[in-house]
Amino acid sequence: QVQLVESGGGVVQPGTSLRLSCAASGFTFSTYTMHWVRQAPGKGPEWVAVISYDGRNKYTDSVKGRFTISRDNSKNTLYLQMNSLRAEDTAVYFCASLGGFGVAPTGHWGQGTLVTVSS
Amino acid sequence: QAVVTQEPSLTVSPGGTVTLTCGSSTGAVTSGHYPYWFQQKPGQAPRTLIYDTYNKHSWTPARFSGSLLGGKAALTISGAQPEDEAEYYCLLSYDKTRVFGGGAKLTVL
Repeated sequence: QVQLVESGGGVVQPGTSLRLSCAASGFTFSTYTMHWVRQAPGKGPEWVAVISYDGRNKYTDSVKGRFTISRDNSKNTLYLQMNSLRAEDTAVYFCASLGGFGVAPTGHWGQGTLVTVSS
Repeated sequence: QAVVTQEPSLTVSPGGTVTLTCGSSTGAVTSGHYPYWFQQKPGQAPRTLIYDTYNKHSWTPARFSGSLLGGKAALTISGAQPEDEAEYYCLLSYDKTRVFGGGAKLTVL
């Protein structure tokens, strides 16, 4: 069965960096478009970034220049490098297979990893 | 960045039918926005119900359907069940970027 397992969250100070990972299994990861979505406490989800199977990417305006989405298809792993973190980046970060770039979605989500940015 | 709008809350009786809508600040929602619908219950990750306007996943109950209605994306629940009480979010695509709606709290009462 399809599994997406995020890791790498934690408590960090403003201005620092963190790298999230999403380990995928149960499907041909290398052929699917992948997304990062975040959800601040008590708020709705916010779309963050997308990467195609071959590395094309797009970001929401608030993270452009600070966050980088990447993938290692040989390791079936999706990444989100987050730099210059701000308090407003505090959220649960989910990876999800939501399609795009001409690829249909599997529709699956991970359970999320919590990132807290606080001094 | 576009703003995606949903009704903040709706109520449906058990067995009843309810339609949730999803609008865009840029104009009419079309199939080119590839509308998605998600259900989220407290403490859980969102669950994808509908993608690309009307397509269902294998786990999507038959009572859920997606469409375009009056310039908006729509999610209709026909024969609502108590377990459908949840927050529902739509997601629209704008040139490969995506924007979530603010969510609709559905009460089954």
